[in-house]
Amino acid sequence: DTEVTQTPKHLVMGMTNKKSLKCEQHMGHRAMYWYKQKAKKPPELMFVYSYEKLSINESVPSRFSPECPNSSLLNLHLHALQPEDSALYLCASSQMGLGNQPQHFGDGTRLSIL
Amino acid sequence: GENVEQHPSTLSVQEGDSAVIKCTYSDSASNYFPWYKQELGKRPQLIIDIRSNVGEKKDQRIAVTLNKTAKHFSLHITETQPEDSAVYFCAAGTGANSKLTFGKGITLSVRP
Repeated sequence: DTEVTQTPKHLVMGMTNKKSLKCEQHMGHRAMYWYKQKAKKPPELMFVYSYEKLSINESVPSRFSPECPNSSLLNLHLHALQPEDSALYLCASSQMGLGNQPQHFGDGTRLSIL
Repeated sequence: GENVEQHPSTLSVQEGDSAVIKCTYSDSASNYFPWYKQELGKRPQLIIDIRSNVGEKKDQRIAVTLNKTAKHFSLHITETQPEDSAVYFCAAGTGANSKLTFGKGITLSVRP
């Protein structure tokens, strides 16, 4: 069973819509991540939250806006997306925000931009 | 920054044979090396990992070996089964930052 849950599983939106992706973990982890993944490519890091503070933004366009309401929840707010933003968006968590710790992924949200 | 190379990009084996997937890394500070398996339409699943103070680790049919001097690590799958067919990603990380650097992935096909 997946210990990182993401909703929705699928999302279709127009370029003018505003939507949010949600992620929740109950493992007591203090770091959470957003990744973007294109088909048969590795996950591409977007944001890292460590102890509820944004620690890494990989120069992501401002049409993606992350939010970490508490240590268990992570949101990604979407606005004015482009067709090239269509991808699988993965959330992950780790015990602390260190690169030498296991990261556990959720099932992802498959996003399609019309 | 770290660079992780993964070769080959595809691998096809007969069921029951062994499969070996190799990765190289560039940053000698990297000390954590996980392997992820991703089946079609599913999430990357951590299947095994190794730290730099260990040379080999086994878990049933899978094992990982690490050569720090040569900066490469390998995933070994024995007695392959059709359900082993997936994309496998290697990665490298260090405690100095929050990032895992992933290889490009290899598509493993196990022929029945």
